Amino acid sequence: GEQVEQLPSILRVQEGSSASINCTYENSASNYFPWYKQEPGENPKLIIDIRSNMERKQTQGLIVLLDKKAKRFSLHITDTQPGDSAMYFCAASAITGNTGKLIFGLGTTLQVQP
Amino acid sequence: EAAVTQSPRNKVTVTGGNVTLSCRQTNSHNYMYWYRQDTGHGLRLIHYSYGAGNLQIGDVPDGYKATRTTQEDFFLLLELASPSQTSLYFCASSGTGEVTQYFGPGTRLLVL
Repeated sequence: GEQVEQLPSILRVQEGSSASINCTYENSASNYFPWYKQEPGENPKLIIDIRSNMERKQTQGLIVLLDKKAKRFSLHITDTQPGDSAMYFCAASAITGNTGKLIFGLGTTLQVQP
Repeated sequence: EAAVTQSPRNKVTVTGGNVTLSCRQTNSHNYMYWYRQDTGHGLRLIHYSYGAGNLQIGDVPDGYKATRTTQEDFFLLLELASPSQTSLYFCASSGTGEVTQYFGPGTRLLVL
């Protein structure tokens, strides 16, 4: 079936540095790519998303890049803070007239070290 | 942000037990989803629904039934629970033409 590969599974960075998470998808019809942040004991929360008519989107220290040709998208967190430590999930959806299913990556545990 | 609630928040049952997990959303969303989250497997879709009375099979449906009684309410049923169903279960919802999914707080299920 459809898969979304997410790497790395664990990412440790120093406070103030950047962190990057990469995802690849299989379904060329996918046209919506959200990123969720999940803190311990909490539910996943949407932090940023990008649609296939864009190549780059930025909001509040988060940058998402989309390369449709390579079927690859990535999340970049600039100037990481301890509060950025969490699990991050990428997902891809194939919109077929109605709400598409979301296929999730396996997640990246980000640890920001002071 | 959309409001999605789940109950119970924690549940313990025995092998062979009958469990119902409840989800309610109050944002007039048509689409609702049940996921399970396990270490090493991420979020896996069990069942989903496009509206009251509609059910769609997800990616890991074995051992689970679901029922969408109203636009607001979506239930996940484990009629013969097994230890392999010990997991964290999330419900989510999204609106028509809006693919962003909003997650409930989760239900932690332990099957002994």
